[in-house]
Amino acid sequence: GQNIDQPTEMTATEGAIVQINCTYQTSGFNGLFWYQQHAGEAPTFLSYNVLDGLEEKGRFSSFLSRSKGYSYLLLKELQMKDSASYLCAVRDSNYQLIWGAGTKLIIKP
Amino acid sequence: SAVISQKPSRDICQRGTSLTIQCQVDSQVTMMFWYRQQPGQSLTLIATANQGSEATYESGFVIDKFPISRPNLTFSTLTVSNMSPEDSSIYLCSVEVGGSGANVLTFGAGSRLTVL
Repeated sequence: GQNIDQPTEMTATEGAIVQINCTYQTSGFNGLFWYQQHAGEAPTFLSYNVLDGLEEKGRFSSFLSRSKGYSYLLLKELQMKDSASYLCAVRDSNYQLIWGAGTKLIIKP
Repeated sequence: SAVISQKPSRDICQRGTSLTIQCQVDSQVTMMFWYRQQPGQSLTLIATANQGSEATYESGFVIDKFPISRPNLTFSTLTVSNMSPEDSSIYLCSVEVGGSGANVLTFGAGSRLTVL
């Protein structure tokens, strides 16, 4: 079966750096997405990786290793507004999106 | 990027009743997707709605329970029929928008249903 694993919850301190990991086992691979979802709101797109390596976008970076079935989302200079759930999703060989359960990130002052 | 208006934003429903959720997009799109997100769980695709044809349902979802309409390229509805407490969930409408080399999903704000 297809599976995406992420930690359920993480806690970090304002101003610090946090890395949220995502491992996947899917039927084929056509890209990996990270979404941010604040409580009670819809998910919003953060990043997309299809080739190995690091994609940087301001305070957020996303890394992909296809051979390891692994990605991480790196958040720097954490702010209180970064408290949210972070969803990892992989597009498989049928172009279906497989979603992880999300990682709830709690930022403490 | 597309802007999606979804309503109702939330509702409390009685067991056995049905509720229709509406989704309006500010641009024409070929496919619209309906997702369910139960508390603490991942997004689950219910069906894909194409204009002019029947919706394509994912395993575990059937048309009798979740009838979908797609009358034009900017609008769709999802009905949750004969509701039970197990249907309490957030229902999300989404569309794909091309960009950055990927087709990115944009979501409506969601409809939070509570079935008593």
